[in-house]
Amino acid sequence: ETGVTQTPRHLVMGMTNKKSLKCEQHLGHNAMYWYKQSAKKPLELMFVYNFKEQTENNSVPSRFSPECPNSSHLFLHLHTLQPEDSALYLCASSPSLRGRTDTQYFGPGTRLTVL
Amino acid sequence: RKEVEQDPGPFNVPEGATVAFNCTYSNSASQSFFWYRQDCRKEPKLLMSVYSSGNEDGRFTAQLNRASQYISLLIRDSKLSDSATYLCVVNMGATFNKFYFGSGTKLNVKP
Repeated sequence: ETGVTQTPRHLVMGMTNKKSLKCEQHLGHNAMYWYKQSAKKPLELMFVYNFKEQTENNSVPSRFSPECPNSSHLFLHLHTLQPEDSALYLCASSPSLRGRTDTQYFGPGTRLTVL
Repeated sequence: RKEVEQDPGPFNVPEGATVAFNCTYSNSASQSFFWYRQDCRKEPKLLMSVYSSGNEDGRFTAQLNRASQYISLLIRDSKLSDSATYLCVVNMGATFNKFYFGSGTKLNVKP
């Protein structure tokens, strides 16, 4: 399935590095999301974008910086991360932010390890 | 209290067994409900939406009890391939959709 793609699939970085995660959706959706999934914890919503505009920042530290140049692409820029930021980062999209029957479609995730 | 709570399991069942998972949610005004399946080291995938009247998809039946604020998933005739973590997802957004995820219930189906 290639509805939502994410690159890279795996990333190892040092605490002083700068890297970016990329998400692309081919579903014609208008809403895109970043989630963090740590071991044995529920998915944590980080950011929400609707028609390129950020509608939600769930108290995410500034070392995570999202960018949404258009409705199909979403980036997560990373800098000076901490080891506790190691997790699976999932991108998702949905048709809209208001449709009550809308569901989310997830990308395969980027497994991030911060050394 | 967590917004969405699930028994983490694991549920270890033999092939062919019937197994049920429950999920409770905190916001009585929640709008929509879903079950997702997540395989090890993979992304969550939608299993089924949950409708007020209950709904069935093959061996899977989902029920919603708004008065008690819980959702259930029943799996009949379990297959080995059903082994996964099942995530309960509740849309609690008032103006915009806002999805809350449970921690998941792990199911192991044994031969």
